[in-house]
Formats: sequence, C-alpha cells, structure tokens
Amino acid sequence: EADIYQTPRYLVIGTGKKITLECSQTMGHDKMYWYQQDPGMELHLIHYSYGVNSTEKGDLSSESTVSRIRTEHFPLTLESARPSHTSQYLCASSAVREAFFGQGTRLTVV
Amino acid sequence: GENVEQHPSTLSVQEGDSAVIKCTYSDSASNYFPWYKQELGKRPQLIIDIRSNVGEKKDQRIAVTLNKTAKHFSLHITETQPEDSAVYFCARSNDYKLSFGAGTTVTVRA
Repeated sequence: EADIYQTPRYLVIGTGKKITLECSQTMGHDKMYWYQQDPGMELHLIHYSYGVNSTEKGDLSSESTVSRIRTEHFPLTLESARPSHTSQYLCASSAVREAFFGQGTRLTVV
Repeated sequence: GENVEQHPSTLSVQEGDSAVIKCTYSDSASNYFPWYKQELGKRPQLIIDIRSNVGEKKDQRIAVTLNKTAKHFSLHITETQPEDSAVYFCARSNDYKLSFGAGTTVTVRA
C-alpha cells in the first residue's frame, strides 16, 4: 500500500548519542519534508527536499542534518542528541498538491 | 520570509454555529494554500486546498477563501459538529517549501 513510513515510532536515548530517524515513502513523490512538533502545537519546518540530491534548511534552525540519495528515502540525523531535541518529528511527502504525513517519531533525550 | 500568521489560536463554538480561521502570509511567490486537520494523537490530514488563481472553494460544510492581493486566506466551517473538534493548520507553498501556521484549536460544544 502506498504510504509514508517513519521508524522508530518512539525513541528514548541518552545525551550525546548519534541518532538517525528514518522516513520512507512509496508514492514516488519528489518533495519531502521534516517537521518538529510538540503535541498539539505548531508544525515547524526544519528541512525539505524537492528531489534527489537536493536538501534545504527550513524555517526553524535545527542542529540536525538530512540527506536525499534516493527518491523514496529522507533520513534525519542528529550527531549529538541533547534534551532540547526532545520532541515529535513528522516526515511528509508530496507531489503537486496534498502532503501526506508519516505517523511521527517521538524522541526523548535523557 | 515565508511566515504564516494564523488567528485565533483557540476557538470555542456551539454545535451548529460557524467557525472561521484566518491566515496571512508574506511570500508573494506562494501559490498553493492547503488546510490540515489534526486530531489528538494523529497525523495531520488535508481537508481542503486552494490555488492562487482561485478566489473561493467549497466542499460540503467547509469553504476556503483567498485574497491574494491582501495575502489573506480563511477557512469557514458551517453547521459545526462535535467531530469537527481538532487542531486546524493553514499552510502555504511556493512549489518547493510547505510552511504551516501555528494552528487553531477548535472545540465544538454540544
């Protein structure tokens, strides 16, 4: 079934660890996005990509990095996690119009 | 920049009444304006959208209006029902970047 998948769904990790949040879509969408959202709060755009080998920073400054080597895959990496990174991270993809969101990864840094 | 201002942040309405949410944007290159609904613990989902060459669009109880000159767009929900209670986000896109407003928490009182 065409969808957008994020793993892991929940992650609790210690300060200073390197983590990668995975996002994959099977819809062939060119555009992909990463948003940071605390429950019920604003969707902050932190990274986006409009195709393979393109990555751009979003509206909210983030210490994370992304890569887009394949159309379907858009992973987000934090080299050294800190408690301030605790949040929910939502990945989305779109073609021309509607953006479809993944289920999100809830990250807790202790 | 590509900021989107959304008002109000919370809205409480009596069942059967109408709800109106307003957004403004600054980027003149914006050409696509979607609205998303996010229920508690779920991912955002598109409810209606409008392109910059259209002034108004309606889908059953929901409608969106766009004033491109004034850079305003609004969501109208008529005959509100309890299942309309959720967080609503406006957004804008310039073909590459999709940025969201801060969200409006709508509560429909029975």
